Amino acid sequence: QVKLLQSGAALVKPGASVKMSCKASGYTFTDYWVSWVKQSHGKSLEWIGEIYPNSGATNFNEKFKGKATLTVDKSTSTAYMELSRLTSEDSAIYYCTRELTGKRYFDYWGQGVMVTVSS
Amino acid sequence: DIVMTQGALPNPVPSGESASITCQSSKSLLYSDGKTYLNWYLQRPGQSPQLLIYWMSTRASGVSDRFSGSGSGTDFTLKISRVEAEDVGVYYCQQFLEFPFTFGSGTKLEIK
Repeated sequence: QVKLLQSGAALVKPGASVKMSCKASGYTFTDYWVSWVKQSHGKSLEWIGEIYPNSGATNFNEKFKGKATLTVDKSTSTAYMELSRLTSEDSAIYYCTRELTGKRYFDYWGQGVMVTVSS
Repeated sequence: DIVMTQGALPNPVPSGESASITCQSSKSLLYSDGKTYLNWYLQRPGQSPQLLIYWMSTRASGVSDRFSGSGSGTDFTLKISRVEAEDVGVYYCQQFLEFPFTFGSGTKLEIK
C-alpha cells in the first residue's frame, strides 16, 4: 500500500536549519510530484513547493523561495526538504504529499513533522 | 494568488442531518480541458488531511457516497448527507489551477 513516512519531530534553534525526509513506498516514486505543505498551529494549509523526482524539477510558492530547498534521492525513494534561517514563524507541522503528474490533486499524505524553533 | 474563501457551519450539526460547506475562489477554476480544479480534504483531529473530492465533483477512492461536491467556476459546495461522528474535523477546499496552490481557511464540523 502507498505510504509516505516522514522523519521525526525536530527542536531547532533560531537561525539554524532543519532537514526533514519523506520516504515513499508502495508506488513508483518517479511518477509522482512530491509537494510540501505547512500547517502553523491551529491554522490552515500553505503549499510550499513541489519536486518531480524523475528530473529534479521544482516549483515554489514565492513566499518560500530562499527558505525551502527540495531534493530527492531516487535510490531510496526519499524526498527531502531543508528549511534555513529558522525563526519562530517556521514553527509548524510540515506534510509531504504526492500528485500523479497532471492529475492535480493530492491523494496521499505523510503523517507530518512537527518543527519547533526555540532557543 | 487565488484566494479561497470558506463559509462556516452552524455547529453543532445533529447526527443524521445534512451539512453543506461553501467555498468561493477569487478566479474561475474551470480549465480549458473542461475540468474544474477544486479539491476538498478532511483533516480529522490529530491526523493528516485526506482527499475527499477532486475536480469539483469526483469522489476519491474509498470515500463514502454521503459526500458530494458541486459548483460553478468560482462557487463550490461540499454536501455531507446524514452526518456521522466520524465526519468530525476541519474541511478544506483547495485550488489546483495555478501556482501557488492555495487552500481555504477551513470549516470545522462538530456533531451533536
